[in-house]
Amino acid sequence: GAGVSQTPSNKVTEKGKYVELRCDPISGHTALYWYRQSLGQGPEFLIYFQGTGAADDSGLPNDRFFAVRPEGSVSTLKIQRTERGDSAVYLCASSPRAGGHNEQFFGPGTRLTVL
Amino acid sequence: AQTVTQSQPEMSVQEAETVTLSCTYDTSESDYYLFWYKQPPSRQMILVIRQEAYKQQNATENRFSVNFQKAAKSFSLKISDSQLGDAAMYFCAYRSAPYNQGGKLIFGQGTELSVKP
Repeated sequence: GAGVSQTPSNKVTEKGKYVELRCDPISGHTALYWYRQSLGQGPEFLIYFQGTGAADDSGLPNDRFFAVRPEGSVSTLKIQRTERGDSAVYLCASSPRAGGHNEQFFGPGTRLTVL
Repeated sequence: AQTVTQSQPEMSVQEAETVTLSCTYDTSESDYYLFWYKQPPSRQMILVIRQEAYKQQNATENRFSVNFQKAAKSFSLKISDSQLGDAAMYFCAYRSAPYNQGGKLIFGQGTELSVKP
């Protein structure tokens, strides 16, 4: 079956612009996670959804970052007034449900470059 | 807060040889999972092996095995009979076990493994 997909694969934008990154989870997975991976680093947790609600957004770095999952499937990560420090690979993962023994399946990520 | 440390930024191994990647972690929890993920240049994070903290037996998946030392908070990955396709970035990760913790992964900094033919 289809895995987690993310679009676009690469996004180049200018400082100050608004961007949206999309994640399509595996069908039927109720939990969805966003991570950010800076160059040469391990991924860092941003936010996760259980269904439509953001259950933990403690990893969002500031109020320029926002994520939604209105129908409990596709999620969009939104970044306002982008800064050069936002340049990173943004990874999405989905899981049958959050926590416990459930494995997370990752997408290929979106590489965001802010010029 | 939990932390994961990988002290080897780069490792190299000869094809068909064995290599061990190190990982230490810090936590006050007693119930958790530990993982090794592989990330090739395609960026796709692939689960290599998983260990439940309550299990004393070390996990094994074909050529991949772990040495889990709970008291020492150490979790190393051994790759036997290394293959060219094993070359990638490897990440050690921690996750709290209880369902009400949500399941977010905490990653180490990664170890880049190269395999020489």
